[in-house]
Amino acid sequence: GEDVEQSLFLSVREGDSSVINCTYTDSSSTYLYWYKQEPGAGLQLLTYIFSNMDMKQDQRLTVLLNKKDKHLSLRIADTQTGDSAIYFCAEMAAGNKLTFGGGTRVLVKP
Amino acid sequence: EAGVTQSPTHLIKTRGQQATLRCSPISGHTSVYWYQQALGLGLQFLLWYDEGEERNRGNFPPRFSGRQFPNYSSELNVNALELEDSALYLCASSPQSRQGTTGELFFGEGSRLTVL
Repeated sequence: GEDVEQSLFLSVREGDSSVINCTYTDSSSTYLYWYKQEPGAGLQLLTYIFSNMDMKQDQRLTVLLNKKDKHLSLRIADTQTGDSAIYFCAEMAAGNKLTFGGGTRVLVKP
Repeated sequence: EAGVTQSPTHLIKTRGQQATLRCSPISGHTSVYWYQQALGLGLQFLLWYDEGEERNRGNFPPRFSGRQFPNYSSELNVNALELEDSALYLCASSPQSRQGTTGELFFGEGSRLTVL
């Protein structure tokens, strides 16, 4: 079955690192994604990782994938106030169906 | 390059009415996806269209339907509206390759439907 879970909320101080965690259940997922949603806006793809990789780095973003534990994380280095948003992880399952987690609301405090 | 555009931005209907939401994908994208984002419920997959055909459908009743036109734009229709249909409806598009896809979706800003 498919179920993607995330913690609801994360508070972090500006300049610190943020780590957002996600667990998924569909072992056949080929790609896993992180999307960002700012207030009143649609979703913006931040990064994605292919299921045969265990790490991907893109500027301030680091994605770690533990396929054995079906655990995905997104680390944001040097978190800025503009990083305050809701972050969704998602998995691509069979039938091109992208299943999203419930989202983690990140609040960056100055 | 224009992104995914959706209309209307906001729509207010009453129970039992019908709502029609529209989406124009990014030029060159053949796949269109619809998601419902209800308050507190995250994003729920509704429908996937590609090359004019419905390819996959989420766990929604038949009163949620849609279509994709030859120019790849899409409509989502919701019949017999219920209060719990109030949500942000997001459309996304992707370039669909016959060899498969990385699945990257490009989202519009959504249509907010309020059912009174």
